[in-house]
Amino acid sequence: DTGVSQNPRHKITKRGQNVTFRCDPISEHNRLYWYRQTLGQGPEFLTYFQNEAQLEKSRLLSDRFSAERPKGSFSTLEIQRTEQGDSAMYLCASSLEGGATGELFFGEGSRLTVL
Amino acid sequence: AQKVTQAQTEISVVEKEDVTLDCVYETRDTTYYLFWYKQPPSGELVFLIRRNSFDEQNEISGRYSWNFQKSTSSFNFTITASQVVDSAVYFCALSEADSWGKLQFGAGTQVVVTP
Repeated sequence: DTGVSQNPRHKITKRGQNVTFRCDPISEHNRLYWYRQTLGQGPEFLTYFQNEAQLEKSRLLSDRFSAERPKGSFSTLEIQRTEQGDSAMYLCASSLEGGATGELFFGEGSRLTVL
Repeated sequence: AQKVTQAQTEISVVEKEDVTLDCVYETRDTTYYLFWYKQPPSGELVFLIRRNSFDEQNEISGRYSWNFQKSTSSFNFTITASQVVDSAVYFCALSEADSWGKLQFGAGTQVVVTP
């Protein structure tokens, strides 16, 4: 499978715990994006990387959230001291910088449930 | 600020009927991109189209067609002769021209096609 891969697919945690999600983009893609989607809503932009540089962060990304892409390949999204409001689907997408078609390739997402 | 409105929450049709999904957007930018994505029950967002704000030509791809009208800030999507496999949530999205991967999504329209 050469698509975008996300792990774990589902995570159930108790409030106050830390969680980490991993995203493996399509190998030749230099851009990587994180989005969050709550039930019945469209995805909301969180942050994006070009290679290893984090170029933009949304105001939605509070201090409890941190994303990294250390070698410009896979990325991790960590949420510290989780809150019930963090329950959502976390989507990763990748693309080429030029992106002639404008397509973002999305993974299947990591669903977080905070009890 | 950018905003995308998809007023239709859910549309139910019988197979072979046509269905049109409405999308109205707001932006102060003169150059921007508009998108449609499909999210089937599996959850993975699938790119359908990107349209540049300077290109108002309508687009047809198989049973799919798009109508872009800058005068009414609308980018509507029509599925002709719907099929059960078209059942999904469809999202309209908007981005700035120089940050096309940072999408502002609408809330989505659930399309249910019954045999």
